[in-house]
Amino acid sequence: AQSVTQLDSQVPVFEEAPVELRCNYSSSVSVYLFWYVQYPNQGLQLLLKYLSGSTLVKGINGFEAEFNKSQTSFHLRKPSVHISDTAEYFCAVRKGGTSYGKLTFGQGTILTVHP
Amino acid sequence: NAGVTQTPKFRILKIGQSMTLQCAQDMNHNYMYWYRQDPGMGLKLIYYSVGAGITDKGEVPNGYNVSRSTTEDFPLRLELAAPSQTSVYFCASSDSSGPTDTQYFGPGTRLTVL
Repeated sequence: AQSVTQLDSQVPVFEEAPVELRCNYSSSVSVYLFWYVQYPNQGLQLLLKYLSGSTLVKGINGFEAEFNKSQTSFHLRKPSVHISDTAEYFCAVRKGGTSYGKLTFGQGTILTVHP
Repeated sequence: NAGVTQTPKFRILKIGQSMTLQCAQDMNHNYMYWYRQDPGMGLKLIYYSVGAGITDKGEVPNGYNVSRSTTEDFPLRLELAAPSQTSVYFCASSDSSGPTDTQYFGPGTRLTVL
């Protein structure tokens, strides 16, 4: 079975500073990796996903993530955050070839951007 | 398109009561999912459906039931509500089960059982 660990439950940062949200996964088979964002009082929406190919994945709102197979990590980064990036971020993994779209989610990281 | 809609937004139940959480999507997606989100725990899959008339259990199905009579609707039924079912419930849908599929989430239903 797959598991996902998000290493920080909360990350406070000042506006225009860089940020990294860390995600490690464990799986005995190949996986697909996702980052979702949840703005206050809203559902989750997809930020980016890694399926194959280039290990650096770019997503919406200036976010990017790097897949590192040897370290089983998929950290999310943004070089300069805005107040509007305040949200909860979820890393998720899906077993390669699995049907029915079953996702395993991490515990979430609350990003708070201060002015 | 409205996407994925859920009703109600909030609900308070007494122990032992029952209720149905409604979920509808207008994207003609075959796959639909119910998750619960507990603080600090991420999302757990309760049930999913791969098409009308076909449902299956996820990770935490106990205490819940689902049905899928149409492509659009996927209601979640709670029988004999318990405090452990206090959570935020999200419905999601996707076009396929392939690796490129994206799950689209509704805004959630916040349920409290007292």
